[in-house]
Amino acid sequence: GAVVSQHPSRVICKSGTSVKIECRSLDFQATTMFWYRQFPKQSLMLMATSNEGSKATYEQGVEKDKFLINHASLTLSTLTVTSAHPEDSSFYICSARSGTSGGSSTDTQYFGPGTRLTVL
Amino acid sequence: AQSVTQLDSHVSVSEGTPVLLRCNYSSSYSPSLFWYVQHPNKGLQLLLKYTSAATLVKGINGFEAEFKKSETSFHLTKPSAHMSDAAEYFCVVSDRGYSSASKIIFGSGTRLSIRP
Repeated sequence: GAVVSQHPSRVICKSGTSVKIECRSLDFQATTMFWYRQFPKQSLMLMATSNEGSKATYEQGVEKDKFLINHASLTLSTLTVTSAHPEDSSFYICSARSGTSGGSSTDTQYFGPGTRLTVL
Repeated sequence: AQSVTQLDSHVSVSEGTPVLLRCNYSSSYSPSLFWYVQHPNKGLQLLLKYTSAATLVKGINGFEAEFKKSETSFHLTKPSAHMSDAAEYFCVVSDRGYSSASKIIFGSGTRLSIRP
C-alpha cells in the first residue's frame, strides 16, 4: 500500500522557536495533503488542506500565520509551527491523498506516523 | 453537511469473542466510508473502505464492515478478537464529491480493549 512518512517523529523545542515538520508520500504523487492535530485521547482535527502549487486552505480557528504550510512538490508538504508555545504541544499527523490530478473524495487518504511536538 | 458518530467511546471484549464497533453517519451525498485503526503513539492504518461497490466490505486483520443505507450505519465487526486488536478505531466519512477540496470527517474514536 501507499506509504507516507513524517520527519521528525518526535521533537522537543523551547518556547518561541519554530519547528518544521515534513510529510512525504514515498511511492505515489499526492496532489492534496492534509494536516491534522490530535490531542491526547481525542480524535483528529483537520487543520488545513494543502494542494500542490497553491496556498493551503485553513480550517476555521487555525492561525495561518502560526502554522505555515508549504506544498512545494507532489511528494512533499511541510508544516512549520512558528513561535511555538506550550499550548502548541500536540501530535501532528499528515495524510496524502492518492488519485488523479484534481482529486476525488473517494480517493483513500494515507496517513503518516505522526510527529509528537513538545514545547517547553 | 456530513457527520459521523461513534456510539461507544470504549469497548471491552474478551480474547476470542466477537467485536462490534458502531458507527452512524449522515451525508448530503452518497458517502465514502472508512475505518482506520491507531495503535498508541502511532499513525493511522486503513482497515477498510466502502465506496459504493459491495455493501459488505472485508478489510485487513479479519475485520469487516457492512454499509446499511437504511440505517445510515457502517459498523465494524470481527468474529474473534485478538490481543493485538487493542487500539483506537476511527470511523470516517467523506462526501463523494469530485472536488479536491472535499474533506473527510473523523468520528470521535472508540477505544477497544481486549481482556485475556
